[in-house]
Amino acid sequence: DTGVSQDPRHKITKRGQNVTFRCDPISEHNRLYWYRQTLGQGPEFLTYFQNEAQLEKSRLLSDRFSAERPKGSFSTLEIQRTEQGDSAMYLCASSDGSGGTNEKLFFGSGTQLSVL
Amino acid sequence: DAKTTQPNSMESNEEEPVHLPCNHSTISGTDYIHWYRQLPSQGPEYVIHGLTSNVNNRMASLAIAEDRKSSTLILHRATLRDAAVYYCILYPGAWNAGNMLTFGGGTRLMVKP
Repeated sequence: DTGVSQDPRHKITKRGQNVTFRCDPISEHNRLYWYRQTLGQGPEFLTYFQNEAQLEKSRLLSDRFSAERPKGSFSTLEIQRTEQGDSAMYLCASSDGSGGTNEKLFFGSGTQLSVL
Repeated sequence: DAKTTQPNSMESNEEEPVHLPCNHSTISGTDYIHWYRQLPSQGPEYVIHGLTSNVNNRMASLAIAEDRKSSTLILHRATLRDAAVYYCILYPGAWNAGNMLTFGGGTRLMVKP
């Protein structure tokens, strides 16, 4: 078990460009979450997948953001026409979905996005 | 949504115990108290959780007040590696797609050698 893997670790882009991040959850974890974290703040929930189904989306997830989880394995988060306000750490987490009240999330180390 | 209140920062000396407080006066009867911590340049990691009784694991202990309106995360012997932001989170007892872990600002713990 190698934990949750995110790629790339860092991304620098120019305003208006599109970016895509990848998350590989712990194998056999059926739940996958995306969070966003800005400097000095706690992570904010963006969206959640149960297997390949996207079941929840935060109001923070504007139309420029899209997430997919084909075949219920890895997930991608794409941001179109990036804005400087999109600069943040994007965190992915997974869980095995068996815990109910004992639900534990396992987070990756995140992708740090800087929009110039 | 039930919310938690934590001090912005705390300091501790290495090898000494640390008590990190959390107030959650609007907690409901089915809310579990979860703690996560975030080391520098890392994603958050699970520490401990409980409902009513005090809990111990290899990382920490969780002391929950009898009225459940507050709790304390206890690190028995702080090390430099424990320097992190600690988040106290209320998690609904009934899990469904609408119940996500909601992080507040947390407490930044600094450990002095």
